[in-house]
Amino acid sequence: ETGVTQTPRHLVMGMTNKKSLKCEQHLGHNAMYWYKQSAKKPLELMFVYSLEERVENNSVPSRFSPECPNSSHLFLHLHTLQPEDSALYLCASSQGLAGREQFFGPGTRLTVL
Amino acid sequence: AQSVSQHNHHVILSEAASLELGCNYSYGGTVNLFWYVQYPGQHLQLLLKYFSGDPLVKGIKGFEAEFIKSKFSFNLRKPSVQWSDTAEYFCAAYYGNNRLAFGKGNQVVVIP
Repeated sequence: ETGVTQTPRHLVMGMTNKKSLKCEQHLGHNAMYWYKQSAKKPLELMFVYSLEERVENNSVPSRFSPECPNSSHLFLHLHTLQPEDSALYLCASSQGLAGREQFFGPGTRLTVL
Repeated sequence: AQSVSQHNHHVILSEAASLELGCNYSYGGTVNLFWYVQYPGQHLQLLLKYFSGDPLVKGIKGFEAEFIKSKFSFNLRKPSVQWSDTAEYFCAAYYGNNRLAFGKGNQVVVIP
């Protein structure tokens, strides 16, 4: 695998479910990001991790919980989501923080019923 | 608030036509600027970037962008588009606060 991978690519869940999104980067980068991409809205930054420490939490509801166990892996744990949370969730990585080029994964298309 | 504006969200043009997409960013001192592209079914990828130096930046696939500081603009151009340039294009700006601010994107459709 090369670049940034995300699993699953598609996820349908009910509002009471608990699920996790996984991101893995194979680029040797030290910063990772979660974004939310909704129709007709700019990409919204959710979380930033640098050297496995969270450096940014962009006022994201607590039903989204990130985890970064090492510099190559990033998770987004989901619980008691709302239908308006349905979106494409993108993971990205960079060497250094956001001022540098970010490399994006293909995203997870999440549908909350 | 730091923000990026992109106009003409939907652009339809014929092959060989010229393309220009506007991008304006809010004032915030030193800024790094990017254009990303998302082809149908593919992930976001970098088209070009500007950090400093020559304000005319060359990117991949014949794209270029011009940084005009006085206008807070970073417009993307391609003199002659191809069908394969059909994609969504995003302008982004980094102000040094761990955040990359994205515009809403331009959906470009090139008709063969």
